[in-house]
Amino acid sequence: EVQLVESGGGLVQPGRSLRLSCTAAGFTFGDYALSWVRQAPGKGLEWIGFIRSKTYGGTTEFAASVKGRFTISRDDSKNIAYLQMNSLKTEDTAVYYCSRDVYYDTTGYSNWYFDLWGRGTLVTVSS
Amino acid sequence: QSVLTQPPSVSGTPGQRVTISCTGSSSNIGAGYDVHWYQQLPGTAPKLLIYGNHNRPSGVPDRFSGSKSGTSASLAITGLQAEDEADYYCQSYDISLRDWVFGGGTKLTVL
Repeated sequence: EVQLVESGGGLVQPGRSLRLSCTAAGFTFGDYALSWVRQAPGKGLEWIGFIRSKTYGGTTEFAASVKGRFTISRDDSKNIAYLQMNSLKTEDTAVYYCSRDVYYDTTGYSNWYFDLWGRGTLVTVSS
Repeated sequence: QSVLTQPPSVSGTPGQRVTISCTGSSSNIGAGYDVHWYQQLPGTAPKLLIYGNHNRPSGVPDRFSGSKSGTSASLAITGLQAEDEADYYCQSYDISLRDWVFGGGTKLTVL
């Protein structure tokens, strides 16, 4: 079955760190970029970062809200992507989803969408 | 405040047609970037509904359709069913922010 499964969420104190995992199955993991998207309680979706496939350098991009605090890595041999979250704040409380990214070009515009999502893992930042 | 603006809620009765708008600007939808739509049923993860403005992934009923014009996009649902009750999000890319951006979401209620 084609799927993504997040794990590693939980309760953490402000200022501490947490690492989330996203385990893939049923497709060639290394061929795809992967994003992390979060959803605060009762709120909408917020893209926070992604990692390109190794073919495209395996580089990362982040939203301003987490840049400098969060990092993303991947281990294609294990079909896992990681979201390392440092210096956590109460406003980082959310369900964190990983998603598989699809890229295509239209007359010079680079478009991305998220075609497969995990069920999410809840991160609660509280003292 | 989301970069892409959606109505907070829409409603309709079974069998009706409803539309959900997604308004952007010259730095995202108006710049030429495509719009994608996601459906989030209560208590579940988002699911891709429409990609590339109007394309449906395999398995999505043709009751769902998308369109884009200028700085806006729309999602239309015809033959409304109770199971369509969900939150709907549009998504695009913003060249000024250099970020993938979502609309604030629209809650669809089937009366």
